[in-house]
Amino acid sequence: KAGVTQTPRYLIKTRGQQVTLSCSPISGHRSVSWYQQTPGQGLQFLFEYFSETQRNKGNFPGRFSGRQFSNSRSEMNVSTLELGDSALYLCASSLRDSLTDTQYFGPGTRLTVL
Amino acid sequence: AQKITQTQPGMFVQEKEAVTLDCTYDTSDQSYGLFWYKQPSSGEMIFLIYQGSYDEQNATEGRYSLNFQKARKSANLVISASQLGDSAMYFCAMRGSAGGFKTIFGAGTRLFVKA
Repeated sequence: KAGVTQTPRYLIKTRGQQVTLSCSPISGHRSVSWYQQTPGQGLQFLFEYFSETQRNKGNFPGRFSGRQFSNSRSEMNVSTLELGDSALYLCASSLRDSLTDTQYFGPGTRLTVL
Repeated sequence: AQKITQTQPGMFVQEKEAVTLDCTYDTSDQSYGLFWYKQPSSGEMIFLIYQGSYDEQNATEGRYSLNFQKARKSANLVISASQLGDSAMYFCAMRGSAGGFKTIFGAGTRLFVKA
């Protein structure tokens, strides 16, 4: 079974631009979560989608948005990029949106904002 | 509020020895899940082991076991017979209903395995 895939793997943007990251979950998984990882802040929860509905959102500004499609693939968008948005963005999928379901992570997208 | 604390920023262990990575958590939930992940330098998060709050027995997965002490709110990871490939960052995580099913992570422990 194929794992979680994320595209692109690496991205370089300049301040003020916008970016869209993509995540394809494991086949059959309906829940997708996004995380931002930086050396200073560690792993921070961005949002979670289940069956095309946003179930949870972390403490990030409105510049960060996401969506999930009917095939469970998810995208996140960051508008008006800032230098502080440079990070590893990780996507994770799980079967359902429950306490016991294990989240499986993709390889991440490393975003650099210049 | 939910919180995960990993107090060991870095640890060294000799190859073939066992090592314990500490994790304490804080939650008002009665029902929650605890997870450990490994993150090699490549960046990908690898799931290692899961423990449910109502599970009476400690979870085990191969060389990994979770020492779950509910009253003390601790969920330490034990790696037996360490291998060089175990050198990585290790994260403890929790998922609870009070947090809206969000998964929160600790700051991580970097493990170095010496030959």
